[in-house]
Amino acid sequence: EADIYQTPRYLVIGTGKKITLECSQTMGHDKMYWYQQDPGMELHLIHYSYGVNSTEKGDLSSESTVSRIRTEHFPLTLESARPSHTSQYLCASSELAQMNTEAFFGQGTRLTVV
Amino acid sequence: AQSVSQHNHHVILSEAASLELGCNYSYGGTVNLFWYVQYPGQHLQLLLKYFSGDPLVKGIKGFEAEFIKSKFSFNLRKPSVQWSDTAEYFCAVIRGSQGNLIFGKGTKLSVKP
Repeated sequence: EADIYQTPRYLVIGTGKKITLECSQTMGHDKMYWYQQDPGMELHLIHYSYGVNSTEKGDLSSESTVSRIRTEHFPLTLESARPSHTSQYLCASSELAQMNTEAFFGQGTRLTVV
Repeated sequence: AQSVSQHNHHVILSEAASLELGCNYSYGGTVNLFWYVQYPGQHLQLLLKYFSGDPLVKGIKGFEAEFIKSKFSFNLRKPSVQWSDTAEYFCAVIRGSQGNLIFGKGTKLSVKP
């Protein structure tokens, strides 16, 4: 059982609000990821981190930002939510810099911006 | 552009039917390959993975996949599906020093009892 947690599971919020999606893992993994997934579509990598104080943008451009102040914590922030941000956001973690390793996923946050 | 292609968007099978889900990737060189499954309401979990060695890999719950390098393919198979296999299945690839997982669009499998 993967020890990676995302909160909240579901969030409905008004346009213009600032939101932070939380992701924590207890496996001591250095590498962490955020993916965005629309229904019926592939997971798109939007952010990743190699460890504390490391953040990188992924393949899909996103208006969100991330931070990595602690190894176990990788929150994602939207400064001003818009309806176009409505999606599911998945957090994952893996061991660092090893190609032959799997990623473990959280249960996701389904965000709806109205 | 780099990509992972899953050929089937939605597959509907009866119990005990055989399953094969296609996955192709467009990278050259060394790749690591994965199949993940997402059961309704649950998180993504690993079914099986290929890093090197025997190209036929066995996973959990009776699933297997075959890596065919010449065809850039990593198809998922199960000889006899069960209703509990109803889920969404994602093929994924790691390539390059960054080691980021790139996913296909997923295939929804519905198994009729």
